Amino acid sequence: EAGVAQSPRYKIIEKRQSVAFWCNPISGHATLYWYQQILGQGPKLLIQFQNNGVVDDSQLPKDRFSAERLKGVDSTLKIQPAKLEDSAVYLCASSLGTGSSNEQFFGPGTRLTVL
Amino acid sequence: AQSVTQPDIHITVSEGASLELRCNYSYGATPYLFWYVQSPGQGLQLLLKYFSGDTLVQGIKGFEAEFKRSQSSFNLRKPSVHWSDAAEYFCAFKAAGNKLTFGGGTRVLVKP
Repeated sequence: EAGVAQSPRYKIIEKRQSVAFWCNPISGHATLYWYQQILGQGPKLLIQFQNNGVVDDSQLPKDRFSAERLKGVDSTLKIQPAKLEDSAVYLCASSLGTGSSNEQFFGPGTRLTVL
Repeated sequence: AQSVTQPDIHITVSEGASLELRCNYSYGATPYLFWYVQSPGQGLQLLLKYFSGDTLVQGIKGFEAEFKRSQSSFNLRKPSVHWSDAAEYFCAFKAAGNKLTFGGGTRVLVKP
């Protein structure tokens, strides 16, 4: 079974530029998550989707971050414009559903460096 | 406030020695608790989880963890460490809606 796919794996941009990350979850997984992991910290949930609807985006900085999952499968996370403090690894995860017994499976992440 | 604390940022252990990583949580009820491992350039891999029942939980790669309600702890242990265990380890708990809250992580270095 294929795991969670993410691209690109690495991205370097200048501050104030825009960037987008892509995630393809495990087939059949209805729930998709985006986490931000700043160096030296644990991952922090940015947004959670159930199919193509947003379940929780309370920690998403909505002035610059946006995410979508239009067809309930793939998802993109965008930052516009990027700030230095956005340098982090962005992890995508998926699970069968939102029940607490559903394990989350993580992708390898996209490492973003903002100069 | 709901939180997870990992008091040790770095731990260095000799290969073959035992390892214990500490995790303390703050939550109103008994949470679902997890340990994940993250190797360089890799995503997070689930080592083990505790939902209820037996407080000693066995996981993959020879790891185990013990839930102690009285101490609000869920410490991870391995009797004999291998060089391949060098990685970062994260404790996490799950609240409503399948949302994971992670601790800050403990980086484990293994000396030959």
